[in-house]
Amino acid sequence: DTGVSQDPRHKITKRGQNVTFRCDPISEHNRLYWYRQTLGQGPEFLTYFQNEAQLEKSRLLSDRFSAERPKGSFSTLEIQRTEQGDSAMYLCASSATGGTEAFFGQGTRLTVV
Amino acid sequence: ELKVEQNPLFLSMQEGKNYTIYCNYSTTSDRLYWYRQDPGKSLESLFVLLSNGAVKQEGRLMASLDTKARLSTLHITAAVHDLSATYFCAVESGGSNYKLTFGKGTLLTVNP
Repeated sequence: DTGVSQDPRHKITKRGQNVTFRCDPISEHNRLYWYRQTLGQGPEFLTYFQNEAQLEKSRLLSDRFSAERPKGSFSTLEIQRTEQGDSAMYLCASSATGGTEAFFGQGTRLTVV
Repeated sequence: ELKVEQNPLFLSMQEGKNYTIYCNYSTTSDRLYWYRQDPGKSLESLFVLLSNGAVKQEGRLMASLDTKARLSTLHITAAVHDLSATYFCAVESGGSNYKLTFGKGTLLTVNP
C-alpha cells in the first residue's frame, strides 16, 4: 500500500493519560500535515512539516500537543494529559514539493473517557 | 483569516433529482478542492480546481470555480443513493505551506 498510513486506527484512553499517534506519509512526500476533525465539523489544521522542520503550528495546538518528524519521513503526534475535548479524528496528509495535492490517511479516532 | 462557508449544511434529496452545493471563501485563492467523506472514514479527493473558470466532471458530479466571486459549486445530476455522504470544500491558503481550510461540510442523503 503506497498511501498515507496512520496507526492506530482507533484509540480509547482515560482522561489524563498520554497518547501517541504515528503517520507514515507517501514515500518521498516532503510535506506532512496534521488535521483534527470533530463530529459534524470539517478538518482543522494543526501543524505542518517540510522535511523534518515544523514550519507552522495552529493556535489549536496547545502545550499538551507535540508533533515531530525526526528524519523527515514518519511523524508522531503526542497528546499529554488527555482531556475529553481531545476526542476527535486525527488526520494526517502528505504532499510533494510544489504544492501538489495532499493525500489523506485513514485517520486515528481518539476517544477520551 | 481565510473562512470557508458551505451551504446547505444538510441536503436530503430524492433519487433522480439535481441539486447544487455552494462553497464561498473569504480571501483570494486559486486552488480549491472537493472531498467526499463516508461515515467514520477519511477524505476521498473528488476534484482539484486550479484556475478561474475551471470545470471538472466525474460521473454525476460536476465542480466549477469562479475565483473572482470566490465561489465554487458542486452540482449533482440525477442523484443516486450511492452519493450519500458528506462533501467538503477546502481552500488552499496563500504562502508556501499549502495548508487547507475546510468548510463545515454538506451532509447529503439521497432517498430512494
